[in-house]
Amino acid sequence: GAGVSQSPSNKVTEKGKDVELRCDPISGHTALYWYRQRLGQGLEFLIYFQGNSAPDKSGLPSDRFSAERTGESVSTLTIQRTQQEDSAVYLCASSLPSGGWETQYFGPGTRLLVL
Amino acid sequence: AQTVTQSQPEMSVQEAETVTLSCTYDTSESDYYLFWYKQPPSRQMILVIRQEAYKQQNATENRFSVNFQKAAKSFSLKISDSQLGDAAMYFCAYTEAGNMLTFGGGTRLMVKP
Repeated sequence: GAGVSQSPSNKVTEKGKDVELRCDPISGHTALYWYRQRLGQGLEFLIYFQGNSAPDKSGLPSDRFSAERTGESVSTLTIQRTQQEDSAVYLCASSLPSGGWETQYFGPGTRLLVL
Repeated sequence: AQTVTQSQPEMSVQEAETVTLSCTYDTSESDYYLFWYKQPPSRQMILVIRQEAYKQQNATENRFSVNFQKAAKSFSLKISDSQLGDAAMYFCAYTEAGNMLTFGGGTRLMVKP
């Protein structure tokens, strides 16, 4: 079946502008995660949605970052007043409900460049 | 907070040979899960292998196997019969049930023909 999809693939924006990144999880996956990957580094957790529970926002680096999810479907990550240090690949992952543990399946990411 | 450390920024292996990538982690939990992900230039994170901490037996997936040493908090990945397609970034990751993954900084694997 279809995997996790993300759009856009690449985004170039000017410092100070707002951007929205989109993630479409695998159908039936109630858990959804956003990660950030700076150049040459590992992934950093940003935010986690699980069904109708309150999201875990503990990884968001500042109040310029926010995310929403509509039910168990699409999620958008919004970065307001972008800064050059926001330049990175933003990866989304989804998984089945985690009673024990479930594999996270990743999308191809959105590469964000802030000029 | 949990941390994951990959001490080898780059590794190189001859095609058909065996290579081992190192990973150590720090946690006070007794029940957790460990993963190795592969990231080729396409950016797509691909699960290579996974291990539950309560299982003593090391996980194996075809040419990929792990050496899980719980007391030492070590989780190395062995790739046997290396192929050109194995060239990629490899990330070690840790999670407790239902939580986000904590990743190491990655190891770039180069495969020489």
